Formats: sequence, C-alpha cells, structure tokens
Amino acid sequence: QVQLVQSGAEVKKPGASVKVSCTASGYAFTNNFIHWVRQAPGHGLEWMGLINPSGGTTSLAQKFQGRVTLTRDTSTSTVYMEINSLTSEDRAVYFCARRSGTTAGHFGLWGQGTLVTVSS
Amino acid sequence: QSVLTQPPSVSGAPGQRVTVSCTGTSSNIGANYDVHWYQQLPGTAPRLLIFDNTKRPSGVPDRFSGSKSGTSASLAITGLQTEDEADYYCQSYDSSLDAWVFGGGTKLTVL
Repeated sequence: QVQLVQSGAEVKKPGASVKVSCTASGYAFTNNFIHWVRQAPGHGLEWMGLINPSGGTTSLAQKFQGRVTLTRDTSTSTVYMEINSLTSEDRAVYFCARRSGTTAGHFGLWGQGTLVTVSS
Repeated sequence: QSVLTQPPSVSGAPGQRVTVSCTGTSSNIGANYDVHWYQQLPGTAPRLLIFDNTKRPSGVPDRFSGSKSGTSASLAITGLQTEDEADYYCQSYDSSLDAWVFGGGTKLTVL
C-alpha cells in the first residue's frame, strides 16, 4: 500500500549527529516532494524543509540552514534527514510527509514519526 | 510564536458544533495561499482533514468542513463525537518566509 515508513527511535548525546530515514512505497517515488516536520514534546508542528526526490534539490527553513542536510536514494526510494550538533532542544518526533496538490500543496501522507532523544 | 494563530483550546458537548479559527497575514492566507487542516490524535502522526480550504479527502466524514476569507480560515465540526477529541492544526505557505507554516494547534475537548 501507499506509505512512508521511518527508521526507529534514536538516543544521541549533545553535539552528536542523527540521520533519520523515510522509505516510500506504493507510488512513484520521484513524483512528489518530501517534507520534514518536527514536533517537540507538548508542542506544535514545525516545518523543517523539503527535498525533491527527482533532482535532489532541497530547501530548508532558515532556522535549520547549515545544520540539517536532506538527501535521497532513488534506488531504495528513501529520503534522509540528518541533523548535526544536537542539543536538548532537538528532542522531538520527526515526521516525513509527502506533498500533494498544486502551488504550495498539502501533506496527505505522513510517516509514523521518529523520536529523537538528546541526553548526556 | 506560530506564524498562523489558533486558539489553544475549544470544547463542546457531544452532538454540538464547534469551530476552530486560523488567522494569518498578507504574506500567507491573505496572499491567496490555500489553507489545510490536520487532525492529530495522541501519539500518532497528523492526518489530513481538509485541503485547499474546503475539500475533504476520501474517508473524512462530512461533519468536518473548512472555509476561508481574507486573512483567516476556519474549521467547523458538527455533530461532535468523543472520537473527535484531538489536536487540530491549520497549515499554509508564507511567501515572505519562503516556508510552509503551521498554526500552534487547538486542543478539542468533547465534554
């Protein structure tokens, strides 16, 4: 079926990096942009950035520029989100979402989320 | 501070009607970018509820409806049911930020 499946929970120390994967299935991987959204405990949704699986081009929210890298592997229909220099403020559930529609579009398909804990 | 403003909470009794507002600015909702709504149950991923201001994906009951006017949008839920208890988020695009933006979320309590 059409789905996005993310990698499992991670526990990292402050200053470390984490790489979360999001594997698409059931549709043509290169047809839709993939976005990343995070949610800190007890807080709302925060847009992080997007990747075009077709050409690999990316766009990041200003807050994450220089610290977040988005990549993709078309052979496995997987996109990756890597965050460097983790701090306790990066503790959150990270979601990937498939964008649909015209103009800016909406997020009709979401991954199940990946909890990233940052603790010494 | 979220770019789109939502009330932190709303409540209603079973069977009643509630609305959730979403207020933006001239660089997002007022710039004619569409508004979309998501429902998030505890511990789960958001689920698309309304897209392009007023459209419902297949499987979403017609108790849920959306509207948009000027720099604001609203989500209406009629015939409230206990399973509607969740957090609701509006989302749009902001041309000044060149970013997809969300409201801060509204917690719906069914009394």
